[in-house]
Amino acid sequence: EIVLTQSPGTLSLSPGERATLSCRASESVTSIYLAWYQQKPGQAPRLLIYGTSSRATGIPDRFSGSGSGTDFTLTISRVEPEDFAVYYCQQYGSPITFGQGTRLEIK
Amino acid sequence: QLQLQESGPRLVKPSETLSLTCIVSGDSMSSSNYQWGWIRQPPGKGLEWIAFIYYSGSAYYNPSLKSRVTISVDPSKNQFSLKLTSVTAADRAVYYCARGRESYENLKGFQRAHYYYGMEVWGQGTTVTVSS
Repeated sequence: EIVLTQSPGTLSLSPGERATLSCRASESVTSIYLAWYQQKPGQAPRLLIYGTSSRATGIPDRFSGSGSGTDFTLTISRVEPEDFAVYYCQQYGSPITFGQGTRLEIK
Repeated sequence: QLQLQESGPRLVKPSETLSLTCIVSGDSMSSSNYQWGWIRQPPGKGLEWIAFIYYSGSAYYNPSLKSRVTISVDPSKNQFSLKLTSVTAADRAVYYCARGRESYENLKGFQRAHYYYGMEVWGQGTTVTVSS
C-alpha cells in the first residue's frame, strides 16, 4: 500500500498569499494517478486536480499541481477567502489511498 | 447533471451489517469508463477508500476491509450498494458514494495507455453511527 504523507498539517495564510501544499508518497506514483481534493466543513470532497496537473471542470486557474515520482505539490497562487478548507491528495493504486490532509486556515 | 444520493439506516447495532445504497440520477451508469465507489470519513479524520465497482460487476476492495465488505451494482435501477458486516464503533463515519472516471487509448503493438480522471462526482454523504 502506498502511503501518502501531506505537509504541513496546518497552513496559516492571509488572503492573497501563495499556498504550497506537499504530498509525499512512500513509493513512486505514476503522475497520471495523482489527484487533489478540497473539502469544506460539512461538505463532500471536491475534485480539484487529476493527473498531477490537470484542473477538473470549473476549477479556477489559481489552483495548479505539479510533481513526479514521490513528491507532488498543490499550489494556490493567491488564496481567496473561499479556499480555506482541508486538502487531500489521492493516488490511484491498489489500494487507492489518500493523504491525511492539510488544513488551510486564515491567519 | 449527474447526482449521487446515499440512502440507508443511520444507526446500526454492533456486530450487525451496515447497508447503504447510492442512487444515481442524471446519467446512465452503463459506461465502462466509470467506477462507482464508496469512501468513508470517521469524525474529525481523513478519507478512507472502501471499494469501487464497474457496471459490469467487476469490483475492487480495500484489503483492510475486504473480508467484511460487499459492493454490488444494479444498472437497471441506476444504483449501487455497500454492505459492511460485523460493524464496530470504529465503523462510525460519514459514508460517501462517488463516481470515478478512467479511459484507455489504444497504442501500437496491442498496448494501451490508461488515464485516470479522479473521483469527479460525490454524494453529500450520510453519517452512520454504530451503537446498541
